[in-house]
Amino acid sequence: IVLTQSPGTLSLSPGEKATLSCRASQSVTNNLLAWYQQKPGQVPRFLIYSTSYRATGIPDRFSGSGSGADFTLTISGLEPEDFAVYYCQQYGSSPPTFGQGTKVEVK
Amino acid sequence: QVQLQQSGPRLVKPSQTLSLTCAISGDSVSSNIVAWNWIRQSPSRGLEWLGRTYYRSKWNYDYELSVKSRITVNPDTSKNQFSLQLNSVTPEDTAVYYCARGRLNGFDYWGQGTLVTVSS
Repeated sequence: IVLTQSPGTLSLSPGEKATLSCRASQSVTNNLLAWYQQKPGQVPRFLIYSTSYRATGIPDRFSGSGSGADFTLTISGLEPEDFAVYYCQQYGSSPPTFGQGTKVEVK
Repeated sequence: QVQLQQSGPRLVKPSQTLSLTCAISGDSVSSNIVAWNWIRQSPSRGLEWLGRTYYRSKWNYDYELSVKSRITVNPDTSKNQFSLQLNSVTPEDTAVYYCARGRLNGFDYWGQGTLVTVSS
C-alpha cells in the first residue's frame, strides 16, 4: 500500500492548528494507521495508533481521525517542540509502509 | 521500560555483508505478542521497512520483496537479541538502520539508529 502525505511542508506559527493528510492507495485494513514524529537527528517517536489512539505520554493536542484510505493528524495548537517531520504508516497489510512525510516548520 | 540497543559496523565495503545486532531489555525476543523489525531511512527512499521475526509457537520471518534475496533477520534467544544481515550491499544501501518493536498497531519502541555507509 502506497501512502501519500500532503502537504509536503506546512508553514505555521506557534499556537496555530496543523492539519496533516495521509491518503492510501487502497483501504487500510482495520484502519491500522499510525503516526510518528521525527526531529532532526532523532529517532521516530510513536504518536498515534489505530487511526485515533494516542500512544503513552502523547499530549492531547495531538489527535488522529479518518477511515478507509483517508486519514488526518491534527495538532490543535502548535507548541515550539511540535515543529518536526510527521510520518504516517499502515500496519494492516504486509509489508508495513510509510508515507514520505510532512514537515511542519515555523512560519 | 523497553530499550533497544543497536551495535555493528558503520562502514561496509560494496559487495560485502552488512551486519547489525539489536539487544532487547524490558521485553523478550520470544514474546508471542510482538514482532522484531528492521527499518532503514535514507533521503532517497525515506522510511523503508526491511523485515521482521516473531514467535508464534514457531519462529516466523517476513521480508520486504525488494531485499528478500539478500536479507536475513535472526533471533538469538540466549542473548535476547535479534540481528540483521544484508548481503551484497551497494552504495544504495547507505542509510540509517533502526531496529524496532512492532505491535499490532505500529512500531512503539526504536533503537537509537546506526548510520551505515557503503563505500570502498
